[in-house]
Amino acid sequence: GAVVSQHPSWVICKSGTSVKIECRSLDFQATTMFWYRQFPKQSLMLMATSNEGSKATYEQGVEKDKFLINHASLTLSTLTVTSAHPEDSSFYICSAFFSGSPYEQYFGPGTRLTVT
Amino acid sequence: DAKTTQPTSMDCAEGRAANLPCNHSTISGNEYVYWYRQIHSQGPQYIIHGLKNNETNEMASLIITEDRKSSTLILPHATLRDTAVYYCIVSDSGGSNYKLTFGKGTLLTVNP
Repeated sequence: GAVVSQHPSWVICKSGTSVKIECRSLDFQATTMFWYRQFPKQSLMLMATSNEGSKATYEQGVEKDKFLINHASLTLSTLTVTSAHPEDSSFYICSAFFSGSPYEQYFGPGTRLTVT
Repeated sequence: DAKTTQPTSMDCAEGRAANLPCNHSTISGNEYVYWYRQIHSQGPQYIIHGLKNNETNEMASLIITEDRKSSTLILPHATLRDTAVYYCIVSDSGGSNYKLTFGKGTLLTVNP
């Protein structure tokens, strides 16, 4: 099956710094990727839809200037958390849509972000 | 507003069938029923989807009622590795525009 990777798997950063998370589709091209956030004991919340070569579409309530998304190639989307604060500590998960299997999203393993 | 309703948790004995129910009484004609699961601290994994007919794959079976207002995911022979949160999601037909809205899901615990 299609594989999606994320890097790093976990990261600790200081408050006020920025952190970049990468999401890669390893064996297929993904024109669309999705970014989710999951707080402890809660469900996944969709943050934004990332389309290759165009601006991301953010869900209501998600600050686009704080969570910068870049989808510069068909295999890579990045999420940058700018000026991170402790409340941004969460599990960030990406998924990719594969046109060869239109009813299935492939999820990455997630990135655990801790802001101190 | 939640589009699906699932029990918060269920238990199942190893080797037995696990039947996970889901209510989606407001489902519209063009919406599919998807099932994903999330093992602790991992990304979700696709299990199966269906529109009207019952579906089966190597992982599970999906039984959809005739009125499409509810469905049941069946894991025929549950193993300890099937312990996870199972999400039932309804969404428009597949494609790059379809979004998955995750509810709270059902925590299935498979006991030895």
